[in-house]
Amino acid sequence: GENVEQHPSTLSVQEGDSAVIKCTYSDSASNYFPWYKQELGKGPQLIIDIRSNVGEKKDQRIAVTLNKTAKHFSLHITETQPEDSAVYFCAARTPDNYGQNFVFGPGTRLSVLP
Amino acid sequence: DTGVSQNPRHKITKRGQNVTFRCDPISEHNRLYWYRQTLGQGPEFLTYFQNEAQLEKSRLLSDRFSAERPKGSFSTLEIQRTEQGDSAMYLCASSQARTAEKLFFGSGTQLSVL
Repeated sequence: GENVEQHPSTLSVQEGDSAVIKCTYSDSASNYFPWYKQELGKGPQLIIDIRSNVGEKKDQRIAVTLNKTAKHFSLHITETQPEDSAVYFCAARTPDNYGQNFVFGPGTRLSVLP
Repeated sequence: DTGVSQNPRHKITKRGQNVTFRCDPISEHNRLYWYRQTLGQGPEFLTYFQNEAQLEKSRLLSDRFSAERPKGSFSTLEIQRTEQGDSAMYLCASSQARTAEKLFFGSGTQLSVL
C-alpha cells in the first residue's frame, strides 16, 4: 500500500522567514495531495491541495509543488507569522474502489519564533 | 455551516469497558470518515460511509470496533472491551460527493484507557 514520509519532523524559523516541508510517496497511482494544519486541541484543517496533473499551486503565502517523477511534493510558507505555528500533515490519496484511501505523513511541528 | 461536531471531547475509561463516540457531519455532506491519531503521528483511516452504507474498513479496525451511520446523518463509533492500546484521538471527517477529496475534520474525541 501507499507509504508517505515527511521531513523534517520539527522545524523552527524566525518570523518573516520561509519554511519548507517535504513529503515523499510510494504509490505512483496516487493522484491527489492535500496539506493539513493542526493546531493544539483541534482537528486537521485543509490549507492547500494539488492534483497530479498540476506541478505547482499557490494561495497567498502558501504554495505546494509536486514532482510526479520523483514522487515528492513540498509545502512552502513565505513570510511566516507566529500564527503559522502548528503541526502540518501531508497526505496522498490512492484511488481504490471508492477513491477514498488517504494516507497521511507523520507530521511536521513548525514553530515560528517572534 | 457549523462544522463537524464530535462528542465527547474527552473520554477516560477503564480497560475492558465499552465506549461510544458520536460524530455529526456538516449537514449537506454525504460522506463520513473515521480516523485514529496517536501522538506524533498522522491520522490513520479506520472506516468510511457514503450515506448510510459503510463502504470501506481498514484492516486496523478489529472486531471490537463497530461504526454505524443510521439514516445517513450522524455516526457512532463503538469500541468494545477497550484495551490500553486503544488510547488515541478519534477523528471524524466529512465531505461532499462533489468534492470528495476535501475532508473537513472535527476536533476529535481523546480516549484514554486506564
